Amino acid sequence: KNQVEQSPQSLIILEGKNCTLQCNYTVSPFSNLRWYKQDTGRGPVSLTIMTFSENTKSNGRYTATLDADTKQSSLHITASQLSDSASYICVVTDRGSTLGRLYFGRGTQLTVWP
Amino acid sequence: EADIYQTPRYLVIGTGKKITLECSQTMGHDKMYWYQQDPGMELHLIHYSYGVNSTEKGDLSSESTVSRIRTEHFPLTLESARPSHTSQYLCASSDRKQNTGELFFGEGSRLTVL
Repeated sequence: KNQVEQSPQSLIILEGKNCTLQCNYTVSPFSNLRWYKQDTGRGPVSLTIMTFSENTKSNGRYTATLDADTKQSSLHITASQLSDSASYICVVTDRGSTLGRLYFGRGTQLTVWP
Repeated sequence: EADIYQTPRYLVIGTGKKITLECSQTMGHDKMYWYQQDPGMELHLIHYSYGVNSTEKGDLSSESTVSRIRTEHFPLTLESARPSHTSQYLCASSDRKQNTGELFFGEGSRLTVL
């Protein structure tokens, strides 16, 4: 059973609009949560990391939130641009072992239309 | 920009052929990984290495093999390719000294076996 669930699976928005992507996880014990952006035909690139004590963090037009109690994270994109079209992947790391196992979501495919 | 490189980017071969996917990084990272990615699915870890002469199988059963003779180089080999091996293969590395475990990905090798 995948321990990281992302929604929606896909999303289409118009350029300039805002959107929010969701990530729910059951990974325990929790270490951190990262959001990656993967452009078509490229490898994923880290956007932001959330640790247990952080509630919100911004990186330009991207704002991530974390609720460690409900085990939910969101990625909010403000004033979307065509270049935001990509897959956004949520990755949770556990701290139950020295290896720091990673759990990947299936991603949300975002398409921004002009 | 991550300094991790994969070749070839695209490969189409016939069943039964032997192939090697190359991965090199210039960041001096100890940890290196191979992931398999299919459309709409999460990344699956197939091999990883924590240093020279250290290799381990990941979560996803794979008929491929890897080697780590040099820190910067982590090639993946398929002795006899089959159509079921058709997929996107992503190489990644991370810094053992960085506790947050950010992965730096290559741009991927898309393999098609006819």
